[in-house]
Formats: sequence, structure tokens, C-alpha cells
Amino acid sequence: QKEVEQNSGPLSVPEGAIASLNCTYSDRGSQSFFWYRQYSGKSPELIMSIYSNGDKEDGRFTAQLNKASQYVSLLIRDSQPSDSATYLCAVNAFNTDKLIFGTGTRLQVFP
Amino acid sequence: EAGVTQFPSHSVIEKGQTVTLRCDPISGHDNLYWYRRVMGKEIKFLLHFVKESKQDESGMPNNRFLAERTGGTYSTLKVQPAELEDSGVYFCASSPITGEKLFFGSGTQLSVL
Repeated sequence: QKEVEQNSGPLSVPEGAIASLNCTYSDRGSQSFFWYRQYSGKSPELIMSIYSNGDKEDGRFTAQLNKASQYVSLLIRDSQPSDSATYLCAVNAFNTDKLIFGTGTRLQVFP
Repeated sequence: EAGVTQFPSHSVIEKGQTVTLRCDPISGHDNLYWYRRVMGKEIKFLLHFVKESKQDESGMPNNRFLAERTGGTYSTLKVQPAELEDSGVYFCASSPITGEKLFFGSGTQLSVL
């Protein structure tokens, strides 16, 4: 079992729809969870961080965390073609500062 | 404010050669991280510096990899001798506070032939 699992996609959604990206993790001791966006050939860019159970909203983005189910998700409302990228889920390994990444989900938003 | 800068952006070398990658973090960021992405796999942690000290090097694959951070500023990652399986994208990231938001560089694409 991978430490952080994501569906590789591609996830295709029409412009204006809600894109839902999911991630599960194996380390129950993890306390910090992050979503990075990476455009092709570019560096990963942090878009959301979440540390406690529930929802956290920032503009069109909502991160959801359920530690009991070891599940974290990212919702993108009113998806735009410019949101087309690979979304990386990352989790802090327990008691360390290193991030464990998933392989990423490729999102395609079509006009 | 300049971001994290990595050099070179691409490097093609032959098996057995030596390559040195450089990372200039954002000024004032004490934390510097090296990560690597091998094709088709996830981004994996290599090591973490706090200033000039190695905080965690548990991800370094073997003793062919040597990382330094002279004076707590820029960092270098040397691979000697390079093997085919070392090919991938090497990312550097920095942050002002340990465990907080990481700012990534654009990476060095290393190809070992």
C-alpha cells in the first residue's frame, strides 16, 4: 500500500463544474495535509493546507479532512480551463518535517 | 522577491560521471529541502537542512549522493558516480518556518545515459 494514494486521472470536468479530487493516506499520526498544484514543467505550488477535521475554504477551493477515515479531498468550484494541472496531495510524516506525496491527479477542465 | 532558483534546469550525463545540482533558496529561509521525482513515481523526500545543518537525511538513497549547504545559504547536491536509476527531476524547496509552506524551485531534470 502506498503511503499517500491518489487516482492518477485524468479527471475531466466541464468549465463551471465542481472538480473533486481525493486522497487517502496510511500514517494515522500525520497532522498536516497539503494540496499542491503543478502545471506541466513548472514547480509545485501550494494552494491549500489543512490541519484539523472538517472543511477549510479559500476562494473557489475547499479542502476537506477526515482523520478517522484517513481521507483528504480538494473541491474546486466553478472550474476554469486555467485550473487544468496536476494536483498533488502531500502529508507530513508523523513527527518529521518531510512531506509524503501522492503521484498526483491530472485535472482537465474543458470549455 | 526572487523565488527558489535551481541550476541547471537540465543535465544530461553518462553513467559513471559526476553531476552537481545547485539550489538558491529564498533569502532568509532557514529551511531547505531536496526532493526527487523519478518518472512515473511520486515526489520523494531526500533531505532537509536547517541553516547549514542536516536535520534529516533519511531519504538519501545511498552514499553516491552528497548534499551540502555552505554557510546556510545555497545548497548543492552532488551525485558521484551517477547511475541510470538516478534520472529524474530534482526539486529544491525552502521555507521560513519548519513544517510550514514550502516554496519549490522549478527543478533540475537529470538524465543519466
